[in-house]
Amino acid sequence: EVQLVESGGGLVQPGGSLRLSCAGSGFALSTYWMTWLRQAPGKGLEWVANIKGDGSDKNVVDSVKGRFIISRDNAKKSIYLQMNSLRAEDTAVYYCARDSNPHRYGHNWDAFDIWGQGTMVTVSS
Amino acid sequence: AIQMTQSPSSLSASVGDRVTITCRASQDIRNDLGWYQQKPGKAPKLLIYAASTLQNGVPSRFSGSGSGTDFTLTISSLQPEDFATYYCLQDYNYPRAFGPGTEVDIK
Repeated sequence: EVQLVESGGGLVQPGGSLRLSCAGSGFALSTYWMTWLRQAPGKGLEWVANIKGDGSDKNVVDSVKGRFIISRDNAKKSIYLQMNSLRAEDTAVYYCARDSNPHRYGHNWDAFDIWGQGTMVTVSS
Repeated sequence: AIQMTQSPSSLSASVGDRVTITCRASQDIRNDLGWYQQKPGKAPKLLIYAASTLQNGVPSRFSGSGSGTDFTLTISSLQPEDFATYYCLQDYNYPRAFGPGTEVDIK
């Protein structure tokens, strides 16, 4: 079965750190771009960061730049989100997602076709 | 950064109704747009990518159209399992950006 399972969420104080993990199974994780997204309680979806299959290219949203680091270990079939200097506004459910990255005529699109169940991060004193 | 808007923010509809949701980008994004469905407490589900390409396994009552700045998601005949929140997502450039969502509930 193709699936993603996140872990590592929890309660952390403002200014603290947390490392989220996302384990993939049932597919060759190393061949896919992978993405972290989040959703604050009662709010909409927010794209956070992504990383190329071999780890050679990464992108992050401005609001977490310099604080969050995305990485991967293909041997362990996992991706990670290291979150530092956490703020109350980082409180959210964090999802990892596989990008099937369909392409036609030399053009690629994002297509987040497999999602994890999400892990809750609460930043509060 | 590209801003995405959606209208309406919510709508009430009945089973069998035709439903149309609009998404607008703050600049030309070609056809670099996807649509996602989310039910309460669940992860989102991919419906459409490249503005109009139906993801495998998604019922044909869902369709997408548009290019440039204006896009539409249409549900031709609303089914009970379609009551959910729908989001558009631009993947033209970074950072990717979602629309604020459209909640579809039962009239």
